[in-house]
This record gives sequence, C-alpha cells and structure tokens, in this order.
Amino acid sequence: GQQVMQIPQYQHVQEGEDFTTYCNSSTTLSNIQWYKQRPGGHPVFLIQLVKSGEVKKQKRLTFQFGEAKKNSSLHITATQTTDVGTYFCAGRNYGQNFVFGPGTRLSVLP
Amino acid sequence: NAGVTQTPKFRILKIGQSMTLQCAQDMNHNYMYWYRQDPGMGLKLIYYSVGAGITDKGEVPNGYNVSRSTTEDFPLRLELAAPSQTSVYFCASSRELGTEAFFGQGTRLTVV
Repeated sequence: GQQVMQIPQYQHVQEGEDFTTYCNSSTTLSNIQWYKQRPGGHPVFLIQLVKSGEVKKQKRLTFQFGEAKKNSSLHITATQTTDVGTYFCAGRNYGQNFVFGPGTRLSVLP
Repeated sequence: NAGVTQTPKFRILKIGQSMTLQCAQDMNHNYMYWYRQDPGMGLKLIYYSVGAGITDKGEVPNGYNVSRSTTEDFPLRLELAAPSQTSVYFCASSRELGTEAFFGQGTRLTVV
C-alpha cells in the first residue's frame, strides 16, 4: 500500500533560524496536504498542493510540491516560538483517502 | 459554529469493556473519518463514511465498528477494549474526498 515518510522526525532550532521538513511518497500523488498539530492539540489544516512543481506561500511558510508529485516540503523562515508543534503531510492517490506521514516535531528555543 | 465535536475528552477503560466515542459535525459535510494517533506517530485511518448509511474500513479497522445514521453523527464503537487500543482518537470531516479536513479536539483513551 501507499506509504508516506517524513524527515526529520525531530528538529530543534534556535528562534530565528529556518526550518524545513520533507515528505516523500512511495507512489505518485494526486494532491498533498499539510497540517500542524500543537502539543496536546488537534491537527489543523495548513494548505493543499495539487499541481506538479507548485509553490505556495503563507507569510513565513513556503510549501512545495515536487515535479514528479511524489515529494513535498515545508519551509519556515525565521522560526518563532509560535511555530512549535508537529507538522504532518498527508498524501492521496486519485480516488483514495489521504495517508498521513509520521510527522516532524519542531521545537523552538527562545 | 462548533465544527467537529467529540465526547468524551478522556476515558479510562478496563480490558474487555465497551464504549462509544461520539462525534458530531455541524458543517453538513459528506465525509467523516475516525483516526487513531499513537505517541510520536501519525494518524491512522480506522473507518470513514462518504454519507449517511455508508461506511467503509480504513487502514486499522480491527476491534472497531461505526455507523452513520445521519449526516451529522459518526460514532465509533469499541466492543472489547484491549490495551493495544490505548491511543488518542480523532474524528474529522470534509466536504468532499480530497478537500480540507476539520478535526475534533480528540478523545484520549487508556485501556488498563
């Protein structure tokens, strides 16, 4: 079955440093979503990418979908303490449900 | 607008007991989902529903049952609780397959 992997598993950064998490699928995806989960909270939708090579920005967050639609990345510029949490990607094949990656846990040291 | 509401927030069960986790959404979404999240892991799909009266198995359905008698409600039933079912359970809904999912606050279940 479809597998979605994420690296790194954990990332500790100093406030102000950049952060990137990578998501890789074993199969070509129709679309990919990113979610953020604060400690003790529930996943909250960030964005969806659909097109090959697509790049979307939300303030300090940049999301990219690979040309082959098998990988994606989330980059945060100049991290803040409010960025703390676990970032999940979820990939989907056409007509199927999303499969979530294991997540990257980000901690930001003030 | 409440979104997706789950009850209870916390529960401790003894091995072999049964319980129902409640989930309700007020967004008139067709799709509803149950996930479990084990410590340090991602979300695994237990069951999903594409509309009232229609349910289907996800990745990890064993030990669980669901029903969808209305658009709003999607309860998850554990018949014979086992320690392996200790987890955080999230209910979610989406307007259609492949669109943004809205998650409830979660139910933290411990089976002892």
